Amino acid sequence: DTEVTQTPKHLVMGMTNKKSLKCEQHMGHRAMYWYKQKAKKPPELMFVYSYEKLSINESVPSRFSPECPNSSLLNLHLHALQPEDSALYLCASSHYTGELFFGEGSRLTVL
Amino acid sequence: AQKVTQAQTEISVVEKEDVTLDCVYETRDTTYYLFWYKQPPSGELVFLIRRNSFDEQNEISGRYSWNFQKSTSSFNFTITASQVVDSAVYFCALSEAPAAGNKLTFGGGTRVLVKP
Repeated sequence: DTEVTQTPKHLVMGMTNKKSLKCEQHMGHRAMYWYKQKAKKPPELMFVYSYEKLSINESVPSRFSPECPNSSLLNLHLHALQPEDSALYLCASSHYTGELFFGEGSRLTVL
Repeated sequence: AQKVTQAQTEISVVEKEDVTLDCVYETRDTTYYLFWYKQPPSGELVFLIRRNSFDEQNEISGRYSWNFQKSTSSFNFTITASQVVDSAVYFCALSEAPAAGNKLTFGGGTRVLVKP
């Protein structure tokens, strides 16, 4: 069982909706990540939080807004998305040793 | 810039056959880390192994083994006596020296299909 929990597992939203993806870990990791994965492609890094501060933003459009309320929680706020934003969104966390531990992902469909 | 190449996009084997997944990487860093992840149909990426650039010892874990050759910039992964449950996409990844907030460069992935 994964120790990184993502909700919801599936989300369908219209282009005018506002929704959020949530991620939680209780491994004491101090870094958390959002990745986007399209079908038959590798994961693409979106954001990295290190010690609750945004450390990497891979030039992600502003319609994606990350938030790290505390060291265990990571949110991704979604607004005015496009159909091409439909993908699997993966959350991960890591300790200083570098390996990332991933959640099962939230599968997003934008209509 | 870092780059990871997995030349095999898909491999199909019959159960109990061995399967080797190739991974070739490029980096200018003298210290770096290599990883393998498994992604079953459920979607979660499962961490399999981490290897640092100073440790070229091969590793075996059950039916899994890894061959790290710095001279050829390769980090290959072998599944011995494959089973249907091994069917998944496998990703090789590379990062700089690890830290909290570590950026991984993934290869394109190799889809393994094990037929009964």
